[in-house]
Amino acid sequence: AQTVTQSQPEMSVQEAETVTLSCTYDTSESNYYLFWYKQPPSRQMILVIRQEAYKQQNATENRFSVNFQKAAKSFSLKISDSQLGDTAMYFCAFIHTGANSKLTFGKGITLSVRP
Amino acid sequence: EPEVTQTPSHQVTQMGQEVILRCVPISNHLYFYWYRQILGQKVEFLVSFYNNEISEKSEIFDDQFSVERPDGSNFTLKIRSTKLEDSAMYFCASSVLLYNEQFFGPGTRLTVL
Repeated sequence: AQTVTQSQPEMSVQEAETVTLSCTYDTSESNYYLFWYKQPPSRQMILVIRQEAYKQQNATENRFSVNFQKAAKSFSLKISDSQLGDTAMYFCAFIHTGANSKLTFGKGITLSVRP
Repeated sequence: EPEVTQTPSHQVTQMGQEVILRCVPISNHLYFYWYRQILGQKVEFLVSFYNNEISEKSEIFDDQFSVERPDGSNFTLKIRSTKLEDSAMYFCASSVLLYNEQFFGPGTRLTVL
């Protein structure tokens, strides 16, 4: 069974600074996808970034980038130039490209961006 | 931009009553999902649906739960006899292909009294 661990329950960052959110996962599979989802106070889940396990290059989306370390089973999210609108709960999630179709989520981390 | 919609946004029901939560997935998507999030806890998978049948379900998805795509646009989750512990936020999601991004709806908050 796969598990996703987000050990930091909450973090705070000053506006315009950089913050890194940690995520580790455990799986015996070699083919999978990893995601970071954002859940603002409105509670709608929004995809931030996605990483295919077979790609060595780290995914980047504007101010968001990941540090994917496959051997260490680590998938951290870096947010550069933090903005007030980045305040939200962030979930790391995993899906393996096998028979199943479900996303497995971590417990999430609450990020607060201070003005 | 197309989006997943869900109705109602909030449903209050008495224990033992049946509820139906409705979702309209994005029109060209083929895979549909229900997840739930009990307040303060992580998002949990309930069920996935493809080609008019359940493709996977979790341990949570017992005989009290059922899903249906009645008319080619709606995707519903029915809970036959609600329990207090069913109180949660229920999210519908859809994806074009199996391992593509899952687009989530805004959720339905279910409160069972």
